[in-house]
Amino acid sequence: DAGVIQSPRHEVTEMGQEVTLRCKPISGHDYLFWYRQTMMRGLELLIYFNNNVPIDDSGMPEDRFSAKMPNASFSTLKIQPSEPRDSAVYFCASSRDRDYGYTFGSGTRLTVV
Amino acid sequence: DQQVKQNSPSLSVQEGRISILNCDYTNSMFDYFLWYKKYPAEGPTFLISISSIKDKNEDGRFTVFLNKSAKHLSLHIVPSQPGDSAVYFCAASAMGGSEKLVFGKGTKLTVNP
Repeated sequence: DAGVIQSPRHEVTEMGQEVTLRCKPISGHDYLFWYRQTMMRGLELLIYFNNNVPIDDSGMPEDRFSAKMPNASFSTLKIQPSEPRDSAVYFCASSRDRDYGYTFGSGTRLTVV
Repeated sequence: DQQVKQNSPSLSVQEGRISILNCDYTNSMFDYFLWYKKYPAEGPTFLISISSIKDKNEDGRFTVFLNKSAKHLSLHIVPSQPGDSAVYFCAASAMGGSEKLVFGKGTKLTVNP
C-alpha cells in the first residue's frame, strides 16, 4: 500500500498561469478530499468526492478553482488563473469511511509569484 | 466562523512529563472527534479518535478526553517523548451523512530532551 500519492511535491508558477495538482487515492477508499493549509486559516476543506461524485464543493474559494475525479484512482485540482494568494500547501486525503479517519498524502507546496 | 478551535498555537514540555493539548468546538452536531499529528513536509497522520458516546479513549501513551457539556476535548500524552514533537490537529465531524472533517488550526508541540 503506497498510501495517497500527490504530485508534484512542489510547484512554483507565475501569476496568471494554470496549475494542476494530482492525487491518487488508496485503492478501495470511496472518499477523496482536497484540503488547503495556510498559516492564517489552518486546514480548510475545499471539496470532497464519494464514489467519484463531488458531494460538497462549498469550500472552493472561487470559480478559478475546479476539481475532477474521472475514476476511482485519480483526481485533479486545477487553478486557472493562479494568483499569489493561492500559495499554500494542498493536501489530498482518502478514506474508506469516516470511522477509519483519513489518510493524507504528503501535500503539494504551491508558490505563485 | 471557526467551529473547531485550538487556542494554543504552541506548547513546550519536558521529556517524560505530560503533554495536554486542548480543543474547543462550537457545533453541537459534532459527534466524532479525531486528533492528527503532522511532521514538517508530511501530511497529517491519524492518531486517535473518540465518539460522542464516550468520554475517554486510550491508546498507549495517548488518551483523548471528551467533555460534551463544555464542548471541549483534550489529548494527553504520557510520558512525552522528543519524537512527539509535531503539530497536532483536532478535527470533528457531524451526523446526518456528513463525512467531512472540520479541522482546528493546530498546536505545535515541542518536547525538550
